[in-house]
Amino acid sequence: AQTVTQSQPEMSVQEAETVTLSCTYDTSENNYYLFWYKQPPSRQMILVIRQEAYKQQNATENRFSVNFQKAAKSFSLKISDSQLGDTAMYFCAFRFPRGGSEKLVFGKGTKLTVNP
Amino acid sequence: DSGVTQTPKHLITATGQRVTLRCSPRSGDLSVYWYQQSLDQGLQFLIQYYNGEERAKGNILERFSAQQFPDLHSELNLSSLELGDSALYFCASSLRTSGDQETQYFGPGTRLLVL
Repeated sequence: AQTVTQSQPEMSVQEAETVTLSCTYDTSENNYYLFWYKQPPSRQMILVIRQEAYKQQNATENRFSVNFQKAAKSFSLKISDSQLGDTAMYFCAFRFPRGGSEKLVFGKGTKLTVNP
Repeated sequence: DSGVTQTPKHLITATGQRVTLRCSPRSGDLSVYWYQQSLDQGLQFLIQYYNGEERAKGNILERFSAQQFPDLHSELNLSSLELGDSALYFCASSLRTSGDQETQYFGPGTRLLVL
């Protein structure tokens, strides 16, 4: 079974600094997708970034980038130049696109607080 | 705004009652997913529909059912409600079930409180 582990329940960072959120996952498959979703206090789930396992290049979206280590089954999220609006819960999610189910399997989340 | 809409935003009801949650996917999306977010269980996949057909089931209770209509909107029916059913219920949609269009976009959620 696919599992996703986020080992940091809470983190904090100063505004304008860089922070890295960790995520590891367990799967025996070779092709899959990984995502980071953000859930601010409004509770809306917002896609931050995604990574296809077959792509060696790490995904980047503006201030957000990932460090995807396939062999180590690690998928960390780096937030550069942190802003107050980045304060949220961050969920790492795994999607295995075969076998009749495209469900997302989520980690338990990391609560990130950006301090002024 | 993800383009996925859910109604109602909030729902307060009593144990034993039945409620219906509604979801409209993004325009053109064929897949609809339902997830439950609770404090103790985190985010759990409930069920997926693709173009009107059930495609996958997760940890969905027998008291819960869902369907996707010809216009692709979906409804999640929760019956014989218990206190433990109180949670945030999300609907998500994606264009296809595989390939580059598989990214799931979430609606704002329906917060259900069972008293």
